Amino acid sequence: QKEVEQNSGPLSVPEGAIASLNCTYSDRGSQSFFWYRQYSGKSPELIMFIYSNGDKEDGRFTAQLNKASQYVSLLIRDSQPSDSATYLCAVNVISNSGYALNFGKGTSLLVTP
Amino acid sequence: NAGVTQTPKFQVLKTGQSMTLQCAQDMNHNSMYWYRQDPGMGLRLIYYSASEGTTDKGEVPNGYNVSRLNKREFSLRLESAAPSQTSVYFCASGKTSLEQYFGPGTRLTVT
Repeated sequence: QKEVEQNSGPLSVPEGAIASLNCTYSDRGSQSFFWYRQYSGKSPELIMFIYSNGDKEDGRFTAQLNKASQYVSLLIRDSQPSDSATYLCAVNVISNSGYALNFGKGTSLLVTP
Repeated sequence: NAGVTQTPKFQVLKTGQSMTLQCAQDMNHNSMYWYRQDPGMGLRLIYYSASEGTTDKGEVPNGYNVSRLNKREFSLRLESAAPSQTSVYFCASGKTSLEQYFGPGTRLTVT
């Protein structure tokens, strides 16, 4: 099983700070990377995806990808208490039948007022 | 546009009982997926269907069967439920097989 690793946390940051969430993956053939947010008791919600090396920004969120280091991160600027959730990193898996996603176990983020 | 819907939302089964979890999407997506989520284990893929008429096993298929009834619907069947199948089950769909959108989940308890 190809691995997607995340620190389980909890990661605690004060309101207004930058939260940095990290993910490493083992399959060098992976091409697509996703960040999902999951509130307690709810389903995962797609917030960012990135396919190319470098940074991709969307509002307060920035995804960063370094394929050489097999590392993807999510930065949340101006963190708000409403950002408190578990963040799941997902990496594409290619099989004979098509595509699927392999998820990390998630990092719990707590933004304190 | 309801997105991905799942029924039921909650279910309690006794060991050995069978049931089918239903999933439907109205986004015209080709790919559909079934995951289970357990504390400390993350999301694990049970089965997926890259397109209508095809299904394939994921990481944890044992004890489950699936049917891709048409482009909209993808069901998951437990033939003989076991306590180890107590979990939260999520259905997802995706246009490109990569960007996946999840349903609200079914919370299943097997006693």
